[in-house]
Amino acid sequence: GQSLEQPSEVTAVEGAIVQINCTYQTSGFYGLSWYQQHDGGAPTFLSYNALDGLEETGRFSSFLSRSDSYGYLLLQELQMKDSASYFCAVKNAGANNLFFGTGTRLTVIP
Amino acid sequence: DVKVTQSSRYLVKRTGEKVFLECVQDMDHENMFWYRQDPGLGLRLIYFSYDVKMKEKGDIPEGYSVSREKKERFSLILESASTNQTSMYLCASKFRGYEKLFFGSGTQLSVL
Repeated sequence: GQSLEQPSEVTAVEGAIVQINCTYQTSGFYGLSWYQQHDGGAPTFLSYNALDGLEETGRFSSFLSRSDSYGYLLLQELQMKDSASYFCAVKNAGANNLFFGTGTRLTVIP
Repeated sequence: DVKVTQSSRYLVKRTGEKVFLECVQDMDHENMFWYRQDPGLGLRLIYFSYDVKMKEKGDIPEGYSVSREKKERFSLILESASTNQTSMYLCASKFRGYEKLFFGSGTQLSVL
């Protein structure tokens, strides 16, 4: 089987930095994706990591360590609009589909 | 922008009814997916299709079937709706070989 673990809730202050962790157990790991979903909205793609290291896209960065089966999403200069649920998802080699975690609800407070 | 359109935002059906959820994408994506989303359980894959008339079971296919007669359209069918199928259903699509999934806005189905 496969499993993903991420914290269920995180609270952070506006302007601060927050890290959302994701650990995975799966066979044939290929890559790790992150999605954002606002309440009542559709999930939207944030990032995809297939190689070890940090990838930055504006205020958001995503990190992967294949040897540790671990990744994280880093959000900098938090804004109120960043309050949302964040899902990590793994792709296995040879697969067309993703396996999603249960999501982390981020609340940004003033 | 890619558009993934789900036919209904809210749907109320009775136990035992046959239910069709429709999804249309306008970007010529080969791959299409149906997920259900429940609080605390995240997104779980029901079925996916990697091309026209091709389909594969996901993690929770029981009680569901799918149809993909045209590339742009992927239908999810609940043969006999049950109360435990009350959920948010999300359709998604992507290009084969690419990782970015595009989601529709979802259909909140209530089975009474």
